[in-house]
Amino acid sequence: DTEVTQTPKHLVMGMTNKKSLKCEQHMGHRAMYWYKQKAKKPPELMFVYSYEKLSINESVPSRFSPECPNSSLLNLHLHALQPEDSALYLCASSQGQDSYNEQFFGPGTRLTVL
Amino acid sequence: RKEVEQDPGPFNVPEGATVAFNCTYSNSASQSFFWYRQDCRKEPKLLMSVYSSGNEDGRFTAQLNRASQYISLLIRDSKLSDSATYLCVVIPGGGNKLTFGTGTQLKVEL
Repeated sequence: DTEVTQTPKHLVMGMTNKKSLKCEQHMGHRAMYWYKQKAKKPPELMFVYSYEKLSINESVPSRFSPECPNSSLLNLHLHALQPEDSALYLCASSQGQDSYNEQFFGPGTRLTVL
Repeated sequence: RKEVEQDPGPFNVPEGATVAFNCTYSNSASQSFFWYRQDCRKEPKLLMSVYSSGNEDGRFTAQLNRASQYISLLIRDSKLSDSATYLCVVIPGGGNKLTFGTGTQLKVEL
């Protein structure tokens, strides 16, 4: 089962709200990723977790806070976001952190910040 | 120069046509290469990895030319359902950080 699930599918939040995005995979993958994608642009990497430890943070503002509670779950906590943070947030996973490991994406959470 | 470059298109082709996309990359140390397709408002889906010897999966053929630093995707007998944006993805060096091209839009028409 090559499936990555994400909840919620859509999220609308105000700039003062706190919300969380959730991602889950049951493929036994040990690397998980958060990407941000704006309209008509390719995905941009935000964070990488490898074996439940944060291995890459692409200089993402602190209003985005990732968390990896266990090897199957990845969360992205959101606080005090700006309207320009509105985008599709994609989670992905891969078997390991080697370059040949293919990454599989979840369906994404479409976030609108008012 | 961008790390990964693609012609954005759109490529408008009739059903049944053969269409080819190229993608160039700037880092000669790049090790892994992939093609993903992305439908409008959906997530990227892995189409195929690209191996040094080239590889084929049904109507799709991917080639890698390390000397010229480009990869290609050939789609034969295009179907309406092939309409999507095709993303060239490179991993420049070791690790697992994907670098995406801007994507090439394909529209297959009746």
